[in-house]
Amino acid sequence: GAGVSQSPSNKVTEKGKDVELRCDPISGHTALYWYRQSLGQGLEFLIYFQGNSAPDKSGLPSDRFSAERTGGSVSTLTIQRTQQEDSAVYLCASSPGWGPNPYEQYFGPGTRLTVT
Amino acid sequence: GQQLNQSPQSMFIQEGEDVSMNCTSSSIFNTWLWYKQDPGEGPVLLIALYKAGELTSNGRLTAQFGITRKDSFLNISASIPSDVGIYFCAGSPNTGNQFYFGTGTSLTVIP
Repeated sequence: GAGVSQSPSNKVTEKGKDVELRCDPISGHTALYWYRQSLGQGLEFLIYFQGNSAPDKSGLPSDRFSAERTGGSVSTLTIQRTQQEDSAVYLCASSPGWGPNPYEQYFGPGTRLTVT
Repeated sequence: GQQLNQSPQSMFIQEGEDVSMNCTSSSIFNTWLWYKQDPGEGPVLLIALYKAGELTSNGRLTAQFGITRKDSFLNISASIPSDVGIYFCAGSPNTGNQFYFGTGTSLTVIP
């Protein structure tokens, strides 16, 4: 079946502009995660959605970052008034959320964001 | 956010050699995951561990969930050129809603 997809694959934006990044999780997966990966670094947790529960937003670095998940499927990560330090690869992952292997996360290819 | 201590940071090995890497945490974790990431791509899940002491294999890869629940190990036997990449560990202290990732081990295999 189809894996996790993300769009766009690359985004170049000017400082101060808003951007939206999209994630389509694996069909049937109830859990969805957003991470940020700076060049040569590990993954930084941003936000987690599980079913209809309130999302865990504890990793969002500032109030310029927000995310929503509509209908328990597609998710959008929005960064307002982008700054140069927001430049990174934004990765989305989904996991089943239930069953024998509920937490096994499958990643999309990422969106490379460059703020000029 | 919290990051796990992953070592070594990089490895250069001859093809055919075995590889070992590990991750340690100051907290007890309930789940450990190991990933491989190729340049320009998202991480790919290699092995998942759910119980302390668990030893799980996936082909030439073997991973263990440390009995203290604060560490995990990944071994690759008889390395081949396509093993090149960055390996990440990830752990969760709770029911899976927040995973912390290691800083990665960059593996280079010399033919």
